[in-house]
Amino acid sequence: AQKVTQAQTEISVVEKEDVTLDCVYETRDTTYYLFWYKQPPSGELVFLIRRNSFDEQNEISGRYSWNFQKSTSSFNFTITASQVVDSAVYFCAPPTGGFKTIFGAGTRLFVKA
Amino acid sequence: NAGVMQNPRHLVRRRGQEARLRCSPMKGHSHVYWYRQLPEEGLKFMVYLQKENIIDESGMPKERFSAEFPKEGPSILRIQQVVRGDSAAYFCASSPQTADTDTQYFGPGTRLTVL
Repeated sequence: AQKVTQAQTEISVVEKEDVTLDCVYETRDTTYYLFWYKQPPSGELVFLIRRNSFDEQNEISGRYSWNFQKSTSSFNFTITASQVVDSAVYFCAPPTGGFKTIFGAGTRLFVKA
Repeated sequence: NAGVMQNPRHLVRRRGQEARLRCSPMKGHSHVYWYRQLPEEGLKFMVYLQKENIIDESGMPKERFSAEFPKEGPSILRIQQVVRGDSAAYFCASSPQTADTDTQYFGPGTRLTVL
C-alpha cells in the first residue's frame, strides 16, 4: 500500500522566513506521481504541483520550490520569504495505484506578521 | 472554464434528517471523487464514480451513505438519517481521466453540521 507521512503537524514562522515542509512517502510502484495541495483558512483545496517520479529535477514556481529525492522517498516543499497569506494546511499526496489519492495528515503553517 | 462546483457550501441538518450534497465536475471531466474531512484531520477517500457507474466505493460507510453520478446533472452524495459524527467537510474532485497521473481538481467543499 502507498503511504504518505508528514511528520510536522504545525510550523510557525515569522514573515519573510524560509520554511520547508517535509513529505515522506512509501510505494512499491516504480512509476508514480506526487502532489501537493494547499488548504487556506477559507477551506478550499488548491492544487500546487504534480511531480513525476522520473523527473528528479527540482522545481521552482515563484517563492515555491520542491525537492524530490527518490533515494530517500521524500518530496519536500519550501516556501521562500514566507508571507502571511501562506498560512494554510499543506497536504502531500500520492495516487494509490488506482485513483484513490491518499492524503497525509497535513502540515499546518502559521506565518506571523 | 469554471472549476468544480459544490452546493450547498454549508448545510445544517438535525439528527435523523437526510443530507444531499451536489457536485458538478469541471467541464470535460467525467470522473468524480468524494472525500470527507473530519475536523482537524486530512481528507479520506470515500467513492469514485464515472457517469452512471460507481467504480470504487471502498471508502464509503456501509450504511446510510450513497452516491450517484447520473448521465445528466451533478453527482450526488446522499447521507440518510444523519448523526452528529457525520459533521464534516465533504469535498468533491474531478479529473478528465482515471489514470494515476491525473490531477484531481477540488471543489470548495460542503460543510455539513448535524445538530
